[in-house]
Amino acid sequence: GENVEQHPSTLSVQEGDSAVIKCTYSDSASNYFPWYKQELGKRPQLIIDIRSNVGEKKDQRIAVTLNKTAKHFSLHITETQPEDSAVYFCAASRSGGYQKVTFGTGTKLQVIP
Amino acid sequence: DTGVSQNPRHKITKRGQNVTFRCDPISEHNRLYWYRQTLGQGPEFLTYFQNEAQLEKSRLLSDRFSAERPKGSFSTLEIQRTEQGDSAMYLCASSSMDREAFFGQGTRLTVV
Repeated sequence: GENVEQHPSTLSVQEGDSAVIKCTYSDSASNYFPWYKQELGKRPQLIIDIRSNVGEKKDQRIAVTLNKTAKHFSLHITETQPEDSAVYFCAASRSGGYQKVTFGTGTKLQVIP
Repeated sequence: DTGVSQNPRHKITKRGQNVTFRCDPISEHNRLYWYRQTLGQGPEFLTYFQNEAQLEKSRLLSDRFSAERPKGSFSTLEIQRTEQGDSAMYLCASSSMDREAFFGQGTRLTVV
């Protein structure tokens, strides 16, 4: 089955700096890669996703890149703000849609004011 | 609130008891998923329904676990003979075909 590895497990940045979270996946058939943000005690919320026919996608301060050959994808957050502090999960699934999704182990991001 | 709704939010039960959780998806969503999340880990897939059909079950879903979605709307997840290792957050999510899924707030189960 799919295995998703995520690094780093914790990340501290100064407010205004950029944060980068990296993930690798094992199943070459995976073609949908969502990213979720989970604040303490709350539900995971989708912040951005990318499909395998696209190499990069950007939404305001958040961008994702995908390298299918190397089977890795990354989340980039620019101009970080304290409200970006949360746990971020990458994930991967097959079939171009949201079926069985395998999550990474999470990155706890702390933005220091 | 028109999002995914889960009940109860918290459940404390004694080891060996049975528990049942309910998930009400977003009304137009035909896909429904159950995940389990333990502290410091990402959600782990348990099972997935398309309408009333249960299309996939994880190996994590032992024979003590059963999920149903009888009319293709709400779903229930039952755990029989609970064990301490079952303590976790049980998350439900729903989606329409090939669209992103939205999670509920989860049911936190504590087995004592």
